[in-house]
Parts: sequence; C-alpha cells; structure tokens
Amino acid sequence: NAGVTQTPKFRILKIGQSMTLQCTQDMNHNYMYWYRQDPGMGLKLIYYSVGAGITDKGEVPNGYNVSRSTTEDFPLRLELAAPSQTSVYFCASNRGSYNEQFFGPGTRLTVL
Amino acid sequence: GENVEQHPSTLSVQEGDSAVIKCTYSDSASNYFPWYKQELGKGPQLIIDIRSNVGEKKDQRIAVTLNKTAKHFSLHITETQPEDSAVYFCAASLDTGRRALTFGSGTRLQVQP
Repeated sequence: NAGVTQTPKFRILKIGQSMTLQCTQDMNHNYMYWYRQDPGMGLKLIYYSVGAGITDKGEVPNGYNVSRSTTEDFPLRLELAAPSQTSVYFCASNRGSYNEQFFGPGTRLTVL
Repeated sequence: GENVEQHPSTLSVQEGDSAVIKCTYSDSASNYFPWYKQELGKGPQLIIDIRSNVGEKKDQRIAVTLNKTAKHFSLHITETQPEDSAVYFCAASLDTGRRALTFGSGTRLQVQP
C-alpha cells in the first residue's frame, strides 16, 4: 500500500512552458485534492475532486487545470508557467466523513 | 470562506517542557479540526484531530482542545522531545461537500536538547 504518490519530485520550468504533475493513490479514496505551499505559508487549495469525472475549483485555481478519469489518478496541468507558480505542490486524498486526509511527498516546482 | 489564524509562528522550548500552539477560525459551520506535522521535505502528516461535538481529545503526549463559542482550538504537546521539532499546521473544514482543509500558516517548533 503506497498511499499517495507524486511525480516528479523536483522540476525547473522556463516561463511559458507547460507540464503535468502526476498524483496517484491506491486507497480507493473518492476525494482528491491539490494544494500549493508557498515558503512560510500554509497550504492553499487549487482544485479538488469528489469522484471520478467530477472536479471543481478551490481558492487559487488560476493557471491550472485538472482531470479525474479514474479513482486513482488526479493529474494537475500547468499551462504557460509563470514565476508566481513557483511553489511546492501537494496532492492529497480522503475516504470521506471525518477521515484523515493523506498527503503525498510533494513536487517542488521552480519557474525561471 | 473559512479563515484560520495560527500563533505563534515560531516556538522554541527546552526538552521536557510543554508546547502550546493556538488557532482561531472564522466560519462557525466548520466542524472538523485536524493538526498536521510536517518534517523537512515531506508532506504533512496527521497527528490528532477533533470534531466539533468534542471539547478535548488526548493521545499520549498530545492533546487538542476546542472552544466552539470562541472559535478557538489549541494543540498541547507535553514532555517535548527533539524529534517533536517540525512545522505544525492547524486546519479547519466542514465535513460535507468538498471536505477540503483550510490551513493556518504554521508554527515552527524547535525543541532544544
């Protein structure tokens, strides 16, 4: 049982490039989330999904997009990367009511 | 939307002392309050949580208290050890709908041996 896995661990992008951050969970959780963590700050919600085929925006969705075609996978797409997207990105999943939200190890992204 | 404030931002204690971290939340509808520990280079990990129908919960050296009237909750760590050194985050959520967490800004706890 690997939990929540994320790839890549690190990435440097040039301004205007695009990339996809991968997230997979093997716990059969319906709820999945993408958060970003800026230095010295708490995590902020980018997008979330309550099940396969259902996604919605969080507090900071601009510049990102997501899809959820399976229960296991929840990729985050960055289009036209900007320096403001330099951050650590965490994927998380949750089974449901009052249950622990499990986090992946994070992807550290730098946009230059 | 929900807003969570956390204090202090840094806390240094001697090994064996107690540490207290405090959070306030703005949305009276929030009913689930977890605490996460984040070690360097890792994702947050749940250490304890409390629901709004409970005033206090304890797990060995860690306890959390909740005051719904004041919209305030706190983390208490007793008999601190060097391995408790990390960043601690409080969070709040409504346990319906998206069930997403709103996080505080974090407290860096340093336990001096």
